[in-house]
Amino acid sequence: SYVLTQPPSVSVAPGQTARITCEGNNIGSKSVHWYQQRPGQAPVLVVYDDSDRPSGIPERFSGSDSGNTATLTISRVEAGDEADYFCQVWDSSSEHVVFGGGTKLTIL
Amino acid sequence: EVQLVESGGGLVKPGGSLRLSCAASGFTFSSYTMNWVRQAPGKGLEWVASITSGSRSLFYADSVKGRFTISRDSAKNSLYLQMISLRVDDTAVYYCARVSGQFRDYWGQGTLVTVSS
Repeated sequence: SYVLTQPPSVSVAPGQTARITCEGNNIGSKSVHWYQQRPGQAPVLVVYDDSDRPSGIPERFSGSDSGNTATLTISRVEAGDEADYFCQVWDSSSEHVVFGGGTKLTIL
Repeated sequence: EVQLVESGGGLVKPGGSLRLSCAASGFTFSSYTMNWVRQAPGKGLEWVASITSGSRSLFYADSVKGRFTISRDSAKNSLYLQMISLRVDDTAVYYCARVSGQFRDYWGQGTLVTVSS
């Protein structure tokens, strides 16, 4: 089955750029989606189809996808960005939805 | 405004059964594929099951196949998850989510299922 690997944690100072990676075999050929989950809350979609943003999501959130790595980039990070972030793809070979293990973003 | 409200969670003994419901509003429920996604305490997200519009196709995670059944009632704008033979490792918050393309664009607040003796 298809596996997505994320770093367990990323730390960044306020105002800096956070980059969260999601690794998978030839993930560049798939559409990657990213969710933010603040403590005690439901997940929220922040990037879909590799690099598109839903309405209401700040332009500071962006995504890219190439080769074996997809990346969620958060520019000018704020305290409110502290959360868990999950990547997700659809694996057509197994007809399964696959989530990465999640990355905890800590704002220093 | 899109709203998804889950209900039906609770405490159940191993081997027991439970039926979760998700009431949908603010969109044309019958037109969308719907999902259940769960999250064990302190763990990540795990996709559980999907049902396409019109219930034409059903998909299940290997961990629940044969024990869980996803269904929908478009007349009631409701999504369901029938769970039998529950195990301790089924303990989780269960989220209902709307599917758009290949992503989940709206999520409910979740309902907690605890499997324990």
